[in-house]
Amino acid sequence: AQSVTQLDSQVPVFEEAPVELRCNYSSSVSVYLFWYVQYPNQGLQLLLKYLSGSTLVKGINGFEAEFNKSQTSFHLRKPSVHISDTAEYFCAVSDQWFGNEKLTFGTGTRLTIIP
Amino acid sequence: GAGVSQSPSNKVTEKGKDVELRCDPISGHTALYWYRQSLGQGLEFLIYFQGNSAPDKSGLPSDRFSAERTGGSVSTLTIQRTQQEDSAVYLCASRLKDGLQYQETQYFGPGTRLLVL
Repeated sequence: AQSVTQLDSQVPVFEEAPVELRCNYSSSVSVYLFWYVQYPNQGLQLLLKYLSGSTLVKGINGFEAEFNKSQTSFHLRKPSVHISDTAEYFCAVSDQWFGNEKLTFGTGTRLTIIP
Repeated sequence: GAGVSQSPSNKVTEKGKDVELRCDPISGHTALYWYRQSLGQGLEFLIYFQGNSAPDKSGLPSDRFSAERTGGSVSTLTIQRTQQEDSAVYLCASRLKDGLQYQETQYFGPGTRLLVL
């Protein structure tokens, strides 16, 4: 079984300031890791993913995340946020085992950008 | 189509009525998923289809919930005798997965917002 913890339910940040959204996971097997963004009244859009290889992954809209296996973390960062980044962000994991297909999500972090 | 589509976008129903929610996956995507997003429970997996078969139904919350997929494409999620706790956003996702091609990413539709009065 897997679980994902997003410790911060809400994060307010001033425009052009840096931000880090935290994600920790628990799994007995190797996992794939994802960050999705959800804008108001919309579905989920993939920001970035870690499958293997380099632990620093870059995504859309200037976001990046670093996989840390020893700390079982996959924190999302952006050096300078914009008003348009206001949204809810979800961290998710899935097993690397071919057959167990579902995504397990964290509870989400609502990012609010303050002008 | 270019992305996953879902219909209706919004549905209001009375307690005890049946509802059907539809999902059109990305063309060529053989894997299809249903998730539910609610205030109390967050994002939960409901069911997974590979082609027309559902090897994982472990997330369906009760026997009032069922889903089918025909022609390896469109899927319908049916909720019978709806209850107020069924109010949520129902999200569908699809993924490319067949014998030759495999993607880890699930692509989501905009969701159906269900309100049970």
